Amino acid sequence: EIVLTQSPATLSLSPGERATLSCRASQSVSRYLAWYQQKPGQTPRLLIYDASDRATGIPARFSGSGSGTDFTLTISSLEPEDFAVYFCQQRRSWPLTFGGGTEVEIK
Amino acid sequence: QVQLVESGGGVVQTGTSLRLSCEASKFTFSSYAMHWVRQAPGKGLEWVATISFDGNDQKYADSVKGRFTISRDNSKNTLYLQMNSLRPEDRGIYHCIKSSHCVGDDCYPGWFGPWGQGTLVTVSS
Repeated sequence: EIVLTQSPATLSLSPGERATLSCRASQSVSRYLAWYQQKPGQTPRLLIYDASDRATGIPARFSGSGSGTDFTLTISSLEPEDFAVYFCQQRRSWPLTFGGGTEVEIK
Repeated sequence: QVQLVESGGGVVQTGTSLRLSCEASKFTFSSYAMHWVRQAPGKGLEWVATISFDGNDQKYADSVKGRFTISRDNSKNTLYLQMNSLRPEDRGIYHCIKSSHCVGDDCYPGWFGPWGQGTLVTVSS
């Protein structure tokens, strides 16, 4: 099983600041990695797939990078609606796995 | 806009069974792999099972293999999850999800596209 480790667990930032979230895989997932955003009381939403492709309707301030075992989700300038929990997920091999999540909270 | 409506959750005792359903609409259900993902209250996400577009192949998390069965009825646009021998650790919201942002064979599994709101399963010991 591929284990995904996200860091930090919590990121305290102010609106307008840049957020950098990390996801590290226990073995290579090539570029088969996605990022999801979950706001309180809502279902997760796909943000980034194939490591760096933005999903339909996702603003350009969200970007993904990386390949192999190290990946980054960057939010260039935090908007109030971006404070949420972010999960990474791999589909390189079964079982499909998620990281434990990073909460981006208002400082 | 894709619609996925889950039902069938509830409070049950350890060792009993439940069958979840997910009614899909506003897309060609028979063309897409489908998934179940669960989330314990206040916790992270756990993939449970995936079924191919035609129902001929299924994959399961080790934690549910041998106890849960994913199936689909493409004539009814409905996805199912039969859950047997339920355990307290199976508690959570079960989401039905359409495979998305992929093409052809890549869509098994594809990515987790639109998510249903989920149905809550609680297992008491």
